[in-house]
Amino acid sequence: GDSVTQMEGPVTLSEEAFLTINCTYTATGYPSLFWYVQYPGEGLQLLLKATKADDKGSNKGFEATYRKETTSFHLEKGSVQVSDSAVYFCALQKTSYDKVIFGPGTSLSVIP
Amino acid sequence: EAGVTQSPTHLIKTRGQQATLRCSPISGHTSVYWYQQALGLGLQFLLWYDEGEERNRGNFPPRFSGRQFPNYSSELNVNALELEDSALYLCASSLGQGMAYEQYFGPGTRLTVT
Repeated sequence: GDSVTQMEGPVTLSEEAFLTINCTYTATGYPSLFWYVQYPGEGLQLLLKATKADDKGSNKGFEATYRKETTSFHLEKGSVQVSDSAVYFCALQKTSYDKVIFGPGTSLSVIP
Repeated sequence: EAGVTQSPTHLIKTRGQQATLRCSPISGHTSVYWYQQALGLGLQFLLWYDEGEERNRGNFPPRFSGRQFPNYSSELNVNALELEDSALYLCASSLGQGMAYEQYFGPGTRLTVT
């Protein structure tokens, strides 16, 4: 069945370090891909999305490119801040009437 | 503008009891989604309601049920509670159906079954 795989956490980085969180998916067709973020004590928020191959989603300095050939949607940020500490979820949705399938989440801690 | 609200914040029940969780979507949103976030299992889709109708359902037993009211608020009911039902239950709402509409999440209800 359809699924999303993310790199295991927790990830700990120093402030201003480069961030990559790997995400790969298994799905037929051309799903839309998402990154959600969950800050401590809060609900999930949509961080960015891409709806077709080679699209790049970006928001708040984060970027992810939809790579159909490698079925990947890796999240990157050039310089992380302490305020980026959160859990990041990669997700996919195949059609408008399908459920959103989430990955297990990757916890990120950024230390000063 | 108020976000998605959920009540109660915390709920403690014993095995075999029933739990009722409530969700109020953002004003104007017609779709409501329920997710279970259990420790170690990530976020699992439970139910999706739009315009009062159930549109999709995740792989959960029938003792997980819900409904959407005419004002688009929603209720999730869990009957015959089991220990493994302990989790954070998240509700989300969107303006309409589908990928074009961003889901906005509430803070969740923490259900503990003892």
